[in-house]
Amino acid sequence: GQQLNQSPQSMFIQEGEDVSMNCTSSSIFNTWLWYKQDPGEGPVLLIALYKAGELTSNGRLTAQFGITRKDSFLNISASIPSDVGIYFCAGQPIADNAGGTSYGKLTFGQGTILTVHP
Amino acid sequence: EPEVTQTPSHQVTQMGQEVILRCVPISNHLYFYWYRQILGQKVEFLVSFYNNEISEKSEIFDDQFSVERPDGSNFTLKIRSTKLEDSAMYFCASSKSGGRADTQYFGPGTRLTVL
Repeated sequence: GQQLNQSPQSMFIQEGEDVSMNCTSSSIFNTWLWYKQDPGEGPVLLIALYKAGELTSNGRLTAQFGITRKDSFLNISASIPSDVGIYFCAGQPIADNAGGTSYGKLTFGQGTILTVHP
Repeated sequence: EPEVTQTPSHQVTQMGQEVILRCVPISNHLYFYWYRQILGQKVEFLVSFYNNEISEKSEIFDDQFSVERPDGSNFTLKIRSTKLEDSAMYFCASSKSGGRADTQYFGPGTRLTVL
């Protein structure tokens, strides 16, 4: 099945610093998504990317859909304490495991744990 | 803002017991999903559901699992005979369509603990 490799696993930064994390895959994905998960809660969508090469911003967050459709990165600028959490990339494959149409299944990366020191 | 809700927030059960996890998707959404997250690990897809039938399922979703939309608002995940390794957070999600451009909204999750 499709696998996403997300790095780094964790980051400890000072407030105000910029952050970058990325995901790579050996498979092509149709859509790349970035989610944030706070403790005890479900993932919340931050940014969605639908076209190869697409660069999208959401406030201090910027994400890009790689040209090869096998990677994506997320940047957070000027981090603040409330950025703390786990960030997951997720991809929507072109086909399901049997080669048929995939109906929205998301494959998640392992997550990046972000800690921001005030 | 509409949201996905899940009940209970925490379920403790004995190994071998049946559990039903409940979800109320966003009202005008047509595609429904279950994911699980074992503590400290990534979120894993279990199953997608549309038009009262399973659209896609993962290898995790074996014969012990089933899903149902018993009425116009609820979407349930049943585990027939729970195992210790079923302990995890279970997230329900919904989207308007199953297409590539559609956002999946996640519920807050149900923490299942199997003793």
